[in-house]
Amino acid sequence: GIQVEQSPPDLILQEGANSTLRCNFSDSVNNLQWFHQNPWGQLINLFYIPSGTKQNGRLSATTVATERYSLLYISSSQTTDSGVYFCAVAGGSQGNLIFGKGTKLSVKP
Amino acid sequence: ETGVTQTPRHLVMGMTNKKSLKCEQHLGHNAMYWYKQSAKKPLELMFVYSLEERVENNSVPSRFSPECPNSSHLFLHLHTLQPEDSALYLCASRPQRGRGETQYFGPGTRLLVL
Repeated sequence: GIQVEQSPPDLILQEGANSTLRCNFSDSVNNLQWFHQNPWGQLINLFYIPSGTKQNGRLSATTVATERYSLLYISSSQTTDSGVYFCAVAGGSQGNLIFGKGTKLSVKP
Repeated sequence: ETGVTQTPRHLVMGMTNKKSLKCEQHLGHNAMYWYKQSAKKPLELMFVYSLEERVENNSVPSRFSPECPNSSHLFLHLHTLQPEDSALYLCASRPQRGRGETQYFGPGTRLLVL
């Protein structure tokens, strides 16, 4: 099956700093999503981005499908950005998502 | 608020209890999923329902029993669970138009089995 690897596993930032999170996947995909999981467990959709670049406020994402990776950029980080960021790709016949292990981000004031 | 709700949000149960988790979506989607997130593993698929029929059972033990009475509701019936089943159980839904659509997740039920 498809393998999804995320890096780094942990990231500590000072408020205001920028960061880049990476997601590598082992096969071609037609569905890639980025999620933010808050401390209460809720998975919040950030981007649906099987290819190309999207931006939403301080966050942007780029997926290079031919090279099988995606990047999530967080600029001017805030303490509320803390949590775990997951990359997931569709890997089953019914579109079920295969998740990476996540990047745990801690933003310090 | 994603349009997918789950109840209860927290559940503590003994190994001999029977309980049910409920998921409801108001998005008009007709594919629904149960995922499990435990402390030592990535999020993993448990069940998929498409148009109210179970289409994939990801080798989940029979002590977990799903039910999808209609396209808006999904249940996970639990019986004789083990302590290692303690985890966050997440429900998701998406439109059934192919594989390329966004999935939306509920807030999860945090389960503790004693």
